[in-house]
Amino acid sequence: KAGVTQTPRYLIKTRGQQVTLSCSPISGHRSVSWYQQTPGQGLQFLFEYFSETQRNKGNFPGRFSGRQFSNSRSEMNVSTLELGDSALYLCASSSPSNEQFFGPGTRLTVL
Amino acid sequence: AQSVTQLGSHVSVSEGALVLLRCNYSSSVPPYLFWYVQYPNQGLQLLLKYTSAATLVKGINGFEAEFKKSETSFHLTKPSAHMSDAAEYFCAVSPHSGGYQKVTFGTGTKLQVIP
Repeated sequence: KAGVTQTPRYLIKTRGQQVTLSCSPISGHRSVSWYQQTPGQGLQFLFEYFSETQRNKGNFPGRFSGRQFSNSRSEMNVSTLELGDSALYLCASSSPSNEQFFGPGTRLTVL
Repeated sequence: AQSVTQLGSHVSVSEGALVLLRCNYSSSVPPYLFWYVQYPNQGLQLLLKYTSAATLVKGINGFEAEFKKSETSFHLTKPSAHMSDAAEYFCAVSPHSGGYQKVTFGTGTKLQVIP
């Protein structure tokens, strides 16, 4: 099976812009989770989608949003980018036994 | 409710020495427990998982972990550290009650291996 893919791998944006990141889960996996990872805050949970519905949400402002499509692919969007949004954004798809499979991440730099 | 606590955000060991990374969990139902490893600029990958079949779980790269219910612990060990073990390690927990349950990660422990 192909692994979790994330596009793009690297992004550079300026403050105030918006960005959309994409994640394709492993075939058959219905749950997709998103995480933000920074040196200062570590790994932080953003949200989780299951069958196109957001089931769990972390403690992030409304500028961070996401969605999941019928084929389980997921996107996350960050609007009005701030310098502090610079991070590695990780996507993970879950097997039915709750094992999470991570993609390589998207490295976002906000200038 | 569930959570994991990883004691020590940074651990240093000498090459060839025992590796011990600590994880304590809290869960209101029987848990699944996981250890993941992350190398620089990569995603996390599964080292091993406990799903109630056996309390001593063996994983990849010579790592193992023991589930101790009485201590609510799931510490990760490796008898002899190798330079390639330098990475960040995350403990995680999910309820053992049906599929596609929420997984909660610890804050991570960075392992440094000194030559």
